[in-house]
Amino acid sequence: SQTIHQWPATLVQPVGSPLSLECTVEGTSNPNLYWYRQAAGRGLQLLFYSVGIGQISSEVPQNLSASRPQDRQFILSSKKLLLSDSGFYLCAWSVSGAGTEAFFGQGTRLTVV
Amino acid sequence: GENVEQHPSTLSVQEGDSAVIKCTYSDSASNYFPWYKQELGKGPQLIIDIRSNVGEKKDQRIAVTLNKTAKHFSLHITETQPEDSAVYFCAPYGQNFVFGPGTRLSVLP
Repeated sequence: SQTIHQWPATLVQPVGSPLSLECTVEGTSNPNLYWYRQAAGRGLQLLFYSVGIGQISSEVPQNLSASRPQDRQFILSSKKLLLSDSGFYLCAWSVSGAGTEAFFGQGTRLTVV
Repeated sequence: GENVEQHPSTLSVQEGDSAVIKCTYSDSASNYFPWYKQELGKGPQLIIDIRSNVGEKKDQRIAVTLNKTAKHFSLHITETQPEDSAVYFCAPYGQNFVFGPGTRLSVLP
């Protein structure tokens, strides 16, 4: 069966520090991968999605970047965090191709102080 | 890009009553229409979905109806229970998932 792992679960980082959040998927090949951010009490904002290794599409220009160094690994990074980067970050995967169910990780709650 | 709205943004019902949440979208190319449930501190989970060649789908107490001409689809929950309390998101898929702003459902015992 397929599983998605996202870590860490919580993170407190000072303003100006770097960020690296990692997401891995098991049990499937060539998945579509997504990073979403959710502000408190708000909806999910799509940040990045990837349809293959090295292929990253950015939905919102911001202080963040994403990379996909391996087929089932998706990394969200920042060189210098801002206070506004605080939020709940969710990684998700879906079968490539036509629309199908998206499976979400448990999320990372990032607080920038 | 896709513009997705949900109504209402909050909904309170008595246990046992029905709840209906409506999602409107703008991309006529959307062909997959899921509903997700998010509990506090967790990632969303799919509860029901429908494809563009079907008008209605039911799974026990949950149903989804689709009006592709009018570009909206709705989530129906019957005989609501306290454990149905959560935030519900629609996420119509055209070229990508675009999530609606969410509806907070509270089921009062």
